[in-house]
Amino acid sequence: NAGVTQTPKFQVLKTGQSMTLQCAQDMNHEYMSWYRQDPGMGLRLIHYSVGAGITDQGEVPNGYNVSRSTTEDFPLRLLSAAPSQTSVYFCASTRGGRTEAFFGQGTRLTVV
Amino acid sequence: GDSVTQMEGPVTLSEEAFLTINCTYTATGYPSLFWYVQYPGEGLQLLLKATKADDKGSNKGFEATYRKETTSFHLEKGSVQVSDSAVYFCALSDPGNQFYFGTGTSLTVIP
Repeated sequence: NAGVTQTPKFQVLKTGQSMTLQCAQDMNHEYMSWYRQDPGMGLRLIHYSVGAGITDQGEVPNGYNVSRSTTEDFPLRLLSAAPSQTSVYFCASTRGGRTEAFFGQGTRLTVV
Repeated sequence: GDSVTQMEGPVTLSEEAFLTINCTYTATGYPSLFWYVQYPGEGLQLLLKATKADDKGSNKGFEATYRKETTSFHLEKGSVQVSDSAVYFCALSDPGNQFYFGTGTSLTVIP
């Protein structure tokens, strides 16, 4: 089982550039989320989705967009990258019912 | 709102020492509780979980008991190994399937 797959693993952007972080899961999970991890701050929720066609904002949504056209895929778009978006990004999925979340390997993004 | 508070790190222990990482939570409903482990350069992996009061989760020698009366889910291991060096996250999942994570505790085990 592949589980949750994120691409790319590493990325360097210049300020103002846009890019899309890809996330795919093969477990048929309804719930998918994006988090960012910064030193000393744990994981903060950016956006989440409870099913195809349904997305909502988390704790830190500004500067990011998401869409969920299929159950499997949940891409995260940075519209105009800023140095404050330098972070490690994790995608996660869960089937719900208060069960565990499964995480991708992460994308380490640096904005210069 | 719901939240998780866990022991600040970093924690440094000698091999074979006893480990405790404290975790307390605030929740309005009946959450599930989890411990995740993150090795350098990797994503979070589920270490153990408990879904109701008095449940004990265990895996790889680690244990944690869901204590509703003290709203706690402390992680313990009787004898740590160098390979246990990692960052540990306490988390809860509420009835709405939202996850809340602690800030993480870095553990280093020295030979």
